[in-house]
Amino acid sequence: GAVVSQHPSRVICKSGTSVKIECRSLDFQATTMFWYRQFPKQSLMLMATSNEGSKATYEQGVEKDKFLINHASLTLSTLTVTSAHPEDSSFYICSARLTRAMNTEAFFGQGTRLTVV
Amino acid sequence: DAKTTQPPSMDCAEGRAANLPCNHSTISGNEYVYWYRQIHSQGPQYIIHGLKNNETNEMASLIITEDRKSSTLILPHATLRDTAVYYCIVRVPRNTDKLIFGTGTRLQVFP
Repeated sequence: GAVVSQHPSRVICKSGTSVKIECRSLDFQATTMFWYRQFPKQSLMLMATSNEGSKATYEQGVEKDKFLINHASLTLSTLTVTSAHPEDSSFYICSARLTRAMNTEAFFGQGTRLTVV
Repeated sequence: DAKTTQPPSMDCAEGRAANLPCNHSTISGNEYVYWYRQIHSQGPQYIIHGLKNNETNEMASLIITEDRKSSTLILPHATLRDTAVYYCIVRVPRNTDKLIFGTGTRLQVFP
């Protein structure tokens, strides 16, 4: 299947600093990527939809100024957690889909575990 | 979006078939049923999807009832590596591509 790669897989940062997470589609172009967050023992929560060449669409309750998303190319989307706080510590996962057809599967990155100290 | 209901957890002996149920009684005619799984501390992995016919691939089989209100994911010979959280998702029919995850079923395969 198609490969989606996230970097870094694990990051520890100090409170108040910003952290950038990259999501790349390695062998296909993705006009749309998705960012999820997952707290321990909980399900994935969709944060935003990243659209190449346009502004991201954020889910209700997700602060767009805190979670900056940039989708500058067809193979790369980045999520920047600005002014990180300990409550932002979580598992962040990106996803990309091959086409916009209804019955195509989504491919997920391996996730990035963020710890804010 | 059609909601799905899954049991929170299940156990299965290694080598036996694991049958994971999913209820989606409000599914509409053009919505597909997707299954993903998430092994601990990894991103979700696609397993299989279907509309109304039963489907089979190298990983699993998907059985969808005739009224499409429920489905069952079958892992024919479960291994310890199949221990994961399994998510049944009904695809949003609108012109958006996002997947919304429910709480899933935590499958524990034991020796």
